Amino acid sequence: AQKVTQAQTEISVVEKEDVTLDCVYETRDTTYYLFWYKQPPSGELVFLIRRNSFDEQNEISGRYSWNFQKSTSSFNFTITASQVVDSAVYFCALIRGGATNKLIFGTGTLLAVQP
Amino acid sequence: DSGVTQTPKHLITATGQRVTLRCSPRSGDLSVYWYQQSLDQGLQFLIQYYNGEERAKGNILERFSAQQFPDLHSELNLSSLELGDSALYFCASSAPNLWGSGANVLTFGAGSRLTVL
Repeated sequence: AQKVTQAQTEISVVEKEDVTLDCVYETRDTTYYLFWYKQPPSGELVFLIRRNSFDEQNEISGRYSWNFQKSTSSFNFTITASQVVDSAVYFCALIRGGATNKLIFGTGTLLAVQP
Repeated sequence: DSGVTQTPKHLITATGQRVTLRCSPRSGDLSVYWYQQSLDQGLQFLIQYYNGEERAKGNILERFSAQQFPDLHSELNLSSLELGDSALYFCASSAPNLWGSGANVLTFGAGSRLTVL
């Protein structure tokens, strides 16, 4: 069975601090895909990144970076120099390779960035 | 604007009633997905349609049903509503994948918030 665990329920930081959101996944598949989505207070789900299981390269996009380590089944997300606009719930998710596109979400981490 | 349109945005109804949530996918997307987000269950996959046919089913109650129409819009029907059905219901769509592998990004709508009183 597939499972995504986000152990951090809530994180509070002060603006300009760096923060890392943890994600641990479980799957027996060799082909799978990992995602991060952001849910701001307005409620919509916004796609941030997709990574396939064969690509362990870390990725950086502006203040966002992602660290994928198959050895520890982790796909962590770091925000550098956090801003108030980063306040949101962040979800890590997993899709197994195959005919369906069923996203399995973690429980989310609520990030509060204080000014 | 994600390109996925969901109506209504908010809906308040009573127990025992039936409601229909509507979703229009992004132009060109053939797959539609329904998710339920509640405080106790988190984000749960309900059902997926691909070009009018059911592709995958998740934790969808028998009181709930869905369909995808020839114009690719989808409707989620919730009947005999209970207090516990109060939740945010998301629709998402994705582009067709030529290789049949689950790699496509799901683009979500803004959600329909259902309150059952």
